[in-house]
Amino acid sequence: KQEVTQIPAALSVPEGENLVLNCSFTDSAIYNLQWFRQDPGKGLTSLLLIQSSQREQTSGRLNASLDKSSGRSTLYIAASQPGDSATYLCAVITGTASKLTFGTGTRLQVTL
Amino acid sequence: DVKVTQSSRYLVKRTGEKVFLECVQDMDHENMFWYRQDPGLGLRLIYFSYDVKMKEKGDIPEGYSVSREKKERFSLILESASTNQTSMYLCASTMDPPNLYGYTFGSGTRLTVV
Repeated sequence: KQEVTQIPAALSVPEGENLVLNCSFTDSAIYNLQWFRQDPGKGLTSLLLIQSSQREQTSGRLNASLDKSSGRSTLYIAASQPGDSATYLCAVITGTASKLTFGTGTRLQVTL
Repeated sequence: DVKVTQSSRYLVKRTGEKVFLECVQDMDHENMFWYRQDPGLGLRLIYFSYDVKMKEKGDIPEGYSVSREKKERFSLILESASTNQTSMYLCASTMDPPNLYGYTFGSGTRLTVV
């Protein structure tokens, strides 16, 4: 059974700092990996999608990498801003049913 | 942009009531999903559907049923609401095949059963 873990569970950084969020998964036979952002009480907003054949994806200040063989992905946020404060979730698709398995999330706070 | 719309942001229902949660997507996606999200338990898959009138059980289907009469609409039904079904419910959709495309989520419905 696929298990997805995110470290750290919570993170507080001052504005302007670069940061890395980590995601690990136990079954490397994934089809793709998706990073989401969730604001308190809201739904999930997709940030980046990485196919299993890709090594990384970039969108603005965000860069996600994927090392499928070691079961790891990182989300790099450059020059963090208070508006980046949210919970970040990674999710992988494995298996013939192509269901998403979510990580436990990292709650990020960017302070002024 | 694809939009997944959940009809209610907040709902309060009484124990024993039959509850309908509605989800509509506007981009002709074949696949639709219902999740619930609880603190400490993360997101868990309740039901999903690959096509009209088709449904598959997820990881926690007990106490729920679904309906997909039209491609764009996927309804979650709580046959007899109980307090342990108080949760945030999230609907999602994706193109076919689902293992190649990203998921789009709705804004969620916070359901409280009293």
